[in-house]
Amino acid sequence: EVQLVESGGVVVQPGGSLRLSCAASGFTFDDYAMHWVRQAPGKGLEWVSLISWDGGSTYYADSVKGRFTISRDNSKNSLYLQMNSLRAEDTALYYCAKDMGVPAASWVMDVWGKGTTVTVSS
Amino acid sequence: DIVMTQSPDSLAVSLGERATINCKSSQSVLYSSNNKNYLAWYQQKPGQPPKLLIYWASTRESGVPDRFSGSGSGTDFTLTISSLQAEDVAVYYCQQYYSTPMCSFGQGTKLEIK
Repeated sequence: EVQLVESGGVVVQPGGSLRLSCAASGFTFDDYAMHWVRQAPGKGLEWVSLISWDGGSTYYADSVKGRFTISRDNSKNSLYLQMNSLRAEDTALYYCAKDMGVPAASWVMDVWGKGTTVTVSS
Repeated sequence: DIVMTQSPDSLAVSLGERATINCKSSQSVLYSSNNKNYLAWYQQKPGQPPKLLIYWASTRESGVPDRFSGSGSGTDFTLTISSLQAEDVAVYYCQQYYSTPMCSFGQGTKLEIK
């Protein structure tokens, strides 16, 4: 069964840092690009970041550029999101999602985890 | 940046009736070199992550019931549920993936049973 399980979400103070993780199973992880997508409470979906299958290319939404860093460890089938200089507006449920393209990213997300909640509050 | 606008924001449809959700992009998402529309639809049921329904504007993802169909081209797109079932209650999102390396979603349309 294809599965993505996010972890690492906590309550953090404004200006703080956090690293999210996503454990992948059930598919050949290093064949696919991966995304982070977030959803603020009661709001819609916002794409955050993408990393290519080999980690060689990374892309970010303007809202997080310079503050967030996406990375992956293909030997551990794991995806990460390092979040620095956190703001109240970063409060959201963060989803890890698999891209459906192989090997080049298609930018369509065909498998999603259940998400991990980040709350930025003093 | 391409802005995706869905209409309506919410709708209520009777069981067995047709449900239609619209999505409009601020610029065309049709790539002329391959004649493909870079538009996907997702379904998000309460308390669940999104689920991919349709990509390339009209290609149904494997396992998605055939009562779900996508249509449209250029800037105007439609998701149609031909005969609404109780399990279709959800929020539906369109997504453009034309303007990579980034993508954007519509604000969502909440579908309920009348």
